[in-house]
Amino acid sequence: EVQLVESGGGLVQPGGSLRLSCVASGFTFSSHWMTWVRQAPGKGLEWVANIRQDGNEMYYVDSVKGRFTISRDNAKNSLYLQINSLRAEDTAVYHCARIIAVTIFGLANYAMDVWGPGTTVSVSS
Amino acid sequence: EIVLTQSPGTLSLSPGERATLSCWASQNIGSYLAWYQQKPGQAPRLLIYAASSRATGIPDRFSGGGSGTDFTLTISRLEPEDFAVYYCQHCANSPWTFGQGTKVDIK
Repeated sequence: EVQLVESGGGLVQPGGSLRLSCVASGFTFSSHWMTWVRQAPGKGLEWVANIRQDGNEMYYVDSVKGRFTISRDNAKNSLYLQINSLRAEDTAVYHCARIIAVTIFGLANYAMDVWGPGTTVSVSS
Repeated sequence: EIVLTQSPGTLSLSPGERATLSCWASQNIGSYLAWYQQKPGQAPRLLIYAASSRATGIPDRFSGGGSGTDFTLTISRLEPEDFAVYYCQHCANSPWTFGQGTKVDIK
């Protein structure tokens, strides 16, 4: 069964840090771009970061640049998100997801086809 | 940053009715658009990618259309399990963004 399971969330004070983990199973982890998406309480979805298969190319939403770092360990089938300098507005459920790439008319199109249930990060004093 | 605007915010319909959801992009994104369904307390589920291709296991009552800046998700006949929130999302460039969502609820 293809599966993603996140862990590492918790209650943290403003300015604190956490390291989120996501363990993949049931597919060849090293063959896929991976991503983190978050959802604040009662709000919509927000893309956070992507990482390439080899871990050497990453992209971030502007609001987390310089504070969040996405990384992966293909030998451990694991994806990570190091989150530093936490703010109240970072409070959310953080989901990891697998990215699929589909080539249509010679152009690569992407989507997030497998999602984990999420881990909750709460930032409060 | 490409802004995606979904309409309507809420769609109240009865089972068996047709649902048409819209998503507008602030600039041309070709066919770089996906649709997701999310139920309370659950992770999102991919429905449509590349604007019109159904994901694996998605029933054929779900269809996607459009290109450029105007996109639609159509549910031909609503089943009880289809009442949920739907999001569009683009992958044309970074940052990827989502629309604010359309809630389909029972009339």
